[in-house]
Amino acid sequence: KNQVEQSPQSLIILEGKNCTLQCNYTVSPFSNLRWYKQDTGRGPVSLTIMTFSENTKSNRRYTATLDADTKQSSLHITASQLSDSASYICVVADRGSTLGRLYFGRGTQLTVWP
Amino acid sequence: EADIYQTPRYLVIGTGKKITLECSQTMGHDKMYWYQQDPGMELHLIHYSYGVNSTEKGDLSSESTVSRIRTEHFPLTLESARPSHTSQYLCASSERGGNQPQHFGDGTRLSIL
Repeated sequence: KNQVEQSPQSLIILEGKNCTLQCNYTVSPFSNLRWYKQDTGRGPVSLTIMTFSENTKSNRRYTATLDADTKQSSLHITASQLSDSASYICVVADRGSTLGRLYFGRGTQLTVWP
Repeated sequence: EADIYQTPRYLVIGTGKKITLECSQTMGHDKMYWYQQDPGMELHLIHYSYGVNSTEKGDLSSESTVSRIRTEHFPLTLESARPSHTSQYLCASSERGGNQPQHFGDGTRLSIL
């Protein structure tokens, strides 16, 4: 069964600290892995998309890693800011259909305290 | 910021009413999607479209219908709303190609009394 599991479910950190969010998946055949940020009351916004051949990708203070062998990904946030408080969603696309079916995790709810 | 808009943002309405949730994008994207999201849960695909006059049902069984008469417009209709339809509905669009990001609207939060 194709699944995407994220951990932790929620996380509280102090402003300025770093954190790492985890994503494990069983989706096969794999096409790409995406991280989205969803602010409360808003739609998700794409942070990064990684294909099979990419194992690290950075977008400002966000660095995503991908290990396609172990089917694991992480999202590292450096020097957190209050505006980083949001849900971070891991999404995996398969290449077994013309749609490129997307499998969504339930997200990690990050809260950054001053 | 992506140019995809959903209206209304919030809707509280009684059981049995007909509802249309609007979604428009100005990016010329061929692919459009409707998702349902409940608090703390993953997004579930309910409808998608590859282009004009193309509509398909997604993974989640839904009593809603969609239409795609114009590229930029992808409305979702509930003929007779029920309390079980209470949820957040997110619209998204993307360019062709498997590695293209989806651009989401800010959603419609629907409450059926």
